[in-house]
Amino acid sequence: NAGVTQTPKFQVLKTGQSMTLQCAQDMNHNSMYWYRQDPGMGLRLIYYSASEGTTDKGEVPNGYNVSRLNKREFSLRLESAAPSQTSVYFCASSVRLAGWEQYFGPGTRLTVT
Amino acid sequence: ILNVEQSPQSLHVQEGDSTNFTCSFPSSNFYALHWYRWETAKSPEALFVMTLNGDEKKKGRISATLNTKEGYSYLYIKGSQPEDSATYLCAPNTGTASKLTFGTGTRLQVTL
Repeated sequence: NAGVTQTPKFQVLKTGQSMTLQCAQDMNHNSMYWYRQDPGMGLRLIYYSASEGTTDKGEVPNGYNVSRLNKREFSLRLESAAPSQTSVYFCASSVRLAGWEQYFGPGTRLTVT
Repeated sequence: ILNVEQSPQSLHVQEGDSTNFTCSFPSSNFYALHWYRWETAKSPEALFVMTLNGDEKKKGRISATLNTKEGYSYLYIKGSQPEDSATYLCAPNTGTASKLTFGTGTRLQVTL
């Protein structure tokens, strides 16, 4: 099992460019999440998907959109990147059977210049 | 936004010292409390998921207790080792069972 995978690992964008961060899990988990990590701020939830076909805003959704393509995949899109979106992005998944314990991907380091 | 507080923010101990951290969270609508260990340049990994008031969990030299009535959890590390150096995050589930709110963490550094 690969667990949770994320692509790309690193990305540099110019202000105004768009991109999609991809996330996939092979653990048959129902719920998936996108977080951003900034110094001194811990992990902040951007969007989550409690189950296939549903998505909900988290703490910091502005400037992002998500798609739960199927049970395995949950993508995060930046339509018009801004320097404030420079961060490390983590995808995670969880399932009720494991007490909603979250399994994290390796992260994507995004720099917006 | 849920208020989750962790203290101290950072801690520097010597090898062999025992230490503990605190996580405070709202006690209403409680479902579970998670602890995660996050090493530099890696991804967070779950240590414990605790659900019942009075719960105690242990994994090697690390243990945790939970008080849901007053809204706090303690994480203890006995005989700290350099490999324990990491940021320790707590995250309660309240309201929506699958959604966590993470604290900003306690950063532990263990030196020889």
